Amino acid sequence: EPEVTQTPSHQVTQMGQEVILRCVPISNHLYFYWYRQILGQKVEFLVSFYNNEISEKSEIFDDQFSVERPDGSNFTLKIRSTKLEDSAMYFCASEDRSSGNTIYFGEGSWLTVV
Amino acid sequence: AQSVTQLDSHVSVSEGTPVLLRCNYSSSYSPSLFWYVQHPNKGLQLLLKYTSAATLVKGINGFEAEFKKSETSFHLTKPSAHMSDAAEYFCVVRRGGNKLVFGAGTILRVKS
Repeated sequence: EPEVTQTPSHQVTQMGQEVILRCVPISNHLYFYWYRQILGQKVEFLVSFYNNEISEKSEIFDDQFSVERPDGSNFTLKIRSTKLEDSAMYFCASEDRSSGNTIYFGEGSWLTVV
Repeated sequence: AQSVTQLDSHVSVSEGTPVLLRCNYSSSYSPSLFWYVQHPNKGLQLLLKYTSAATLVKGINGFEAEFKKSETSFHLTKPSAHMSDAAEYFCVVRRGGNKLVFGAGTILRVKS
């Protein structure tokens, strides 16, 4: 079964450093998402992306965050200058709306900012 | 605004007994509702979804959920729990075209 893959699975970074989280969505999907889950809190929507542009973003997704689809397969989330409160599990997801209303998630990238 | 409330943060059952995980939603129109499961150190896996077709939805691994508009509920059930069902379960509502709104999650513990 096709799946969304994410790298790295774990990353520890120092406060103020830039981080890039990578995702390979399912190959025929056109809609892409990032969600995050801070330890002990709900899974929260960050951003949705379609046709090479952001279609919706949450108030969490401020100027420190950016997304990009640099080639035909990867979808990245960049955090420009990490803060302690960015420590969370980040989930990438993708969707093919032509075949049902289902969003498929990756296994997540656990980011720890120290 | 759409939201979901999972009524139990933890549920503990014995292996072979029924599972009931409760979810209530609020939505200004007919929602799309989902249950996702997260096993330890794993991603979010779709169990089942409701998108205004049949009100009783069957999912993977023997789980099912019933959409009850009058009660604004979408409870997840399974007739007989298995040890492998131990995980965290999320009730989710889809807001508009894009965003999923997650409940707080219910941790299911299965005792042998």
